[in-house]
Amino acid sequence: DQQVKQNSPSLSVQEGRISILNCDYTNSMFDYFLWYKKYPAEGPTFLISISSIKDKNEDGRFTVFLNKSAKHLSLHIVPSQPGDSAVYFCAASAIGFGFNKFYFGSGTKLNVKP
Amino acid sequence: DTGVSQDPRHKITKRGQNVTFRCDPISEHNRLYWYRQTLGQGPEFLTYFQNEAQLEKSRLLSDRFSAERPKGSFSTLEIQRTEQGDSAMYLCASSLAESGRNTPLHFGNGTRLTVT
Repeated sequence: DQQVKQNSPSLSVQEGRISILNCDYTNSMFDYFLWYKKYPAEGPTFLISISSIKDKNEDGRFTVFLNKSAKHLSLHIVPSQPGDSAVYFCAASAIGFGFNKFYFGSGTKLNVKP
Repeated sequence: DTGVSQDPRHKITKRGQNVTFRCDPISEHNRLYWYRQTLGQGPEFLTYFQNEAQLEKSRLLSDRFSAERPKGSFSTLEIQRTEQGDSAMYLCASSLAESGRNTPLHFGNGTRLTVT
C-alpha cells in the first residue's frame, strides 16, 4: 500500500518557465515532508523540507506548498534551468513514528528543455 | 567532502553468492538507514540504527539480510545466498537525531547490485 504517490512519471518544461511537481499522501499522521533530486548513478540529494505547521517554504528558486486538507504537496521551481533535469522524489514522515522513517513516492522525471 | 560514503559503487555477483556493502555516514550523525531502490520506484526503507543499536527492520529484510553498525560508526549490509530479485540500488543515509523533530536524510551514492 503506497502511502506517498507521485502520479506523474514525467514532466517536460521549457527553460525559464515554472516546473510544478505534485505529490499526494494518504496517512494523516505525516507531519514532515521532503523533496529530493536524483541524478543518474547518484544518490538522492535533499532539496527542501516543510513541516505541517506551515503551508509554504521557500529556498531560492524552490518553493514547496503543503495542503493538509487535501493531503497534497507540490514543488515549484522558478525559473527552471536545464540543470534541474533529474528525477524528483517526495518523502513523508511523522514525529510519531519515533524516528526518521520516510516513505517515498515513485518519482517524477523532469526534463527542462533549453 | 564529508558526505555519506558507500563502497563498492557497483557489485556484480552470481546467484547464491554472499555480498557485503559498507556505508560511512556523516561523522556527527547518530542515525543510519539502509534503503533499497528498484527501477521506477522510490527508495524503500530496510533498516535503521541509532548509534550501534538496530532499532527497526522492515519486512522487506528477509533472514538472508543482516546489517551491523559496530561502535556506532560505519555500517555493513550483508546479503547471503543472493537471488536475482535482490538486484537493486542499495542506499545508505544518515541523519542527526533532534529531540522532538524530524530532520532530513542525507544519502550516499548507493551500491548497485546485479545478481546474474
